[in-house]
Amino acid sequence: GAVVSQHPSRVICKSGTSVKIECRSLDFQATTMFWYRQFPKQSLMLMATSNEGSKATYEQGVEKDKFLINHASLTLSTLTVTSAHPEDSSFYICSARGPLGDYGYTFGSGTRLTVV
Amino acid sequence: QQQVKQSPQSLIVQKGGISIINCAYENTAFDYFPWYQQFPGKGPALLIAIRPDVSEKKEGRFTISFNKSAKQFSLHIMDSQPGDSATYFCAALSGNTGKLIFGQGTTLQVKP
Repeated sequence: GAVVSQHPSRVICKSGTSVKIECRSLDFQATTMFWYRQFPKQSLMLMATSNEGSKATYEQGVEKDKFLINHASLTLSTLTVTSAHPEDSSFYICSARGPLGDYGYTFGSGTRLTVV
Repeated sequence: QQQVKQSPQSLIVQKGGISIINCAYENTAFDYFPWYQQFPGKGPALLIAIRPDVSEKKEGRFTISFNKSAKQFSLHIMDSQPGDSATYFCAALSGNTGKLIFGQGTTLQVKP
C-alpha cells in the first residue's frame, strides 16, 4: 500500500536554531501534502496545506515565517521550523493525498521535536 | 470552532467486550468520514471509512454506523482485544477543501 516516509523521527535542537523535517511519498506521487501538529494527549491540528509547485496555504493562527513549507516535487515536502523555541516542541505529522483517490490520505510516522 | 466533536475522551473495556466511540459533525459539506488508530509516538493509521450515502460499513471487527440526518457517526469495535488499546480519532473531510478535520480523540484501554 501507499507509504509516507517522514524523517527524522526524533530531533532535539537548541533554542534559536532551525530544524527541517522531510516527508516523502514512496511509490506514488502526492499532489497535495498536509502538515499537522499534535500536542501530548491532544488531537491533530492542521497547520498547512502544500501543493506541488505552489505556495503553501496556512491555517489561521499558524506563523508562515516560522513554519516554512516547501513542496518542490510530487514526492517530497519539507517543513522547516525556523528560530525554534521551547514552545515549538511538539509532534509534527505529515500526510499525503495520493494514489487511493481523492479521499485517500496516508500519514507519516511523525517527528518528535524537542527544543531545549 | 470545533467542527467534529468526539466522545468519550477515554474508554475502558474488558477483553471481548464492545467498544463504542461517537462523533458528531456540523458541516454538511463533509462527504467522507474516516476513523484513525494511533499508537504512542506513531502517526495515525486509517482503520475504516464511510461515505454519507451508506448507513453502515463493516470490516472485520470494526463497524461504522452513520446517521446523516443527525449528523452523527460511531465506531464499534467488537470482541475488543488488548492490542486494540490505542487512541482513536474520527475525522471528516470536505471534498471541496480537501482538508481532514479531526475529532478530539478517544483513548481506549482494553483490559485482559
